Amino acid sequence: EVQLVESGGGLVQPGGSLRLSCAASGFTFSSYAMHWVRQAPGKELEYVSAISSNGDSTYYANSVKGRFTISRDNSKNTLYLQMGSLRAEDMAVYHCARWGSGGYYDYWGQGTLVTVSS
Amino acid sequence: EIVLTQSPATLSLSPGERATLSCRASQSVSSYLAWYQQKPGQAPRLLIYDASNRATGIPARFSGSGSGTDFTLTISSLEPEDFAVYYCQQRSNWPLTFGPGTKVDIE
Repeated sequence: EVQLVESGGGLVQPGGSLRLSCAASGFTFSSYAMHWVRQAPGKELEYVSAISSNGDSTYYANSVKGRFTISRDNSKNTLYLQMGSLRAEDMAVYHCARWGSGGYYDYWGQGTLVTVSS
Repeated sequence: EIVLTQSPATLSLSPGERATLSCRASQSVSSYLAWYQQKPGQAPRLLIYDASNRATGIPARFSGSGSGTDFTLTISSLEPEDFAVYYCQQRSNWPLTFGPGTKVDIE
């Protein structure tokens, strides 16, 4: 069974940093691109960042470019999102999601909540 | 950036009724559109991909249609577990974008 479990969310002050993790199991992690997608309270889903299966290529939404860094450790089956210079508008539930072979998000994690507040 | 608009925002129906949800794109996305279902406190679930293909394990009461800029998700006969929020998402152009969602609730 495919499982994606996020961790690392919490309360952080504006301008602060946080690292999210996503532990994957039940599939060959190194064969799939992975994404982070966030959802602010009461808002729609928003693509944040993506990384290729081997980690060589990374992509970012304009809203987080230069502040967030996506990475992965295929030996640990884990996806990461290093978040810096956090703003109130970054407050959201952050989901990791598998980019399926068909080109869509075929599995999602439950998400981890990031709260940005002083 | 391609903007997706969903209508209606809320659909109030009873179990057994037919639900018709709409998603419109600001420019053509060909058939590169998916539908997801999300229940409170849960992760989204892929229902339909490439506009009309059901994902693995999705019941036949869910169907998708459309191409270009206009798409429809139909639930032929609502089951109690179908009351949720439904999002469309395009993968034709980066950045990937989602619609604002349609909430299907019990009348």
